[in-house]
Formats: sequence, structure tokens, C-alpha cells
Amino acid sequence: RKEVEQDPGPFNVPEGATVAFNCTYSNSASQSFFWYRQDCRKEPKLLMSVYSSGNEDGRFTAQLNRASQYISLLIRDSKLSDSATYLCVVNPRFNQAGTALIFGKGTTLSVSS
Amino acid sequence: EPEVTQTPSHQVTQMGQEVILRCVPISNHLYFYWYRQILGQKVEFLVSFYNNEISEKSEIFDDQFSVERPDGSNFTLKIRSTKLEDSAMYFCASSGGGRSSGNTIYFGEGSWLTVV
Repeated sequence: RKEVEQDPGPFNVPEGATVAFNCTYSNSASQSFFWYRQDCRKEPKLLMSVYSSGNEDGRFTAQLNRASQYISLLIRDSKLSDSATYLCVVNPRFNQAGTALIFGKGTTLSVSS
Repeated sequence: EPEVTQTPSHQVTQMGQEVILRCVPISNHLYFYWYRQILGQKVEFLVSFYNNEISEKSEIFDDQFSVERPDGSNFTLKIRSTKLEDSAMYFCASSGGGRSSGNTIYFGEGSWLTVV
């Protein structure tokens, strides 16, 4: 079983749409979770951390379900500039620097006008 | 905003040649990393470095790879004898190493290595 698994997409949506991405992880001991955004041939950039209580940053909402080992990202009111690949990322250790982040392969979003 | 810088942005090398990729991490950061991404594949961890030694490495980081912090600012990745399958984007990254916000990892723009 893959460590971090995502639906690769692509998700093609019109501007203004709401879109949701899902991610599952295999290591139940994983402690920290993130969504990164990656534009084509660019570096990953942190979009948001994911907390057990769920968290929201503007149009973006992230949820974590530890029992199901499932992470989600919801984007409301999609913009053209949201077009990118969204990477689900897991850190197996809580708040410990220097450890390996485990990346999913990413879900590609294309927002059209 | 402070950033991680990498050079070169793109390098083409012949199989068997040595390559050194260079990085300048964010100045007050303590942890340094190399990740790679083969075209169309996921980002993969190679190595992390702290206090002038490797703190963790992956199975990919075999004897062909080495890292060094030759001075107070640079962090390098050396591939001794490149293979075709080493062709990838190599990302350098750094993190502060403090409490939760200090563990946010910042990536450089990457060095695209093509082995021919």
C-alpha cells in the first residue's frame, strides 16, 4: 500500500466552483499533515497545515480524520490562479525537525473561465 | 521574504560524471534537506542535515551521494558518478528547527539535472 495516496485527477472545474481533494495515508503513527501546492516545474509551497480540529484559511478548508487516516482539502469559489497540483504531505513525527516528509503524488486542478 | 536559493537552475551532464548542486538555505535555519522529483513522479526525500552531520537519509541516498556544508552559508549535494536515472529536479530545503512554526520546510526553486 502506498504511503500517501491521492486521486491524481485532473480535476477540471469552472471558476467559482467548489472542489474537494482527498488523501489517505498508511502509517497510523503519522503526526503532522500538510497540503502543499506545486505549480508546473516549480518547488512545492506550503498551503496549510492540517489539524485534527480542522482548519480554514480563506477559501481553503482542511480536515483530518485520524481514525480513517484520511485528509481532505476543500477549495471554495475557485480562481484561475488556483490551477496547480496539490500535494498531500505527511510527517511521521510530531513537531520534529529534520525528519523526512512523505509526499503524495499530487492531485492536479485546472480552473477554467 | 527570506528564501532558499539553488544553483544551477539546470545542468546537463554526461553519464558517469560528477555533479555538485549548490544551495544557500535561509540564514537562521538549522536543518537542511535535499529532495528530488523525477518528472511526473512524487517528491522524494533524500537526506536531512543538522549540526554538520546527516540526521536522516533515505534508501535513495546511497554511496553515490554525499552532502556537505563547506562554509557558513552553502549546502551542497554531490553525485559522484551520475546515472541516467539520476535525471530529476533536485530541491534543497531548510527549516528553523524550533517549535511548531520553526519546523515549516521552505523549498528552493530546484536544480533540474539531466543526465545523458
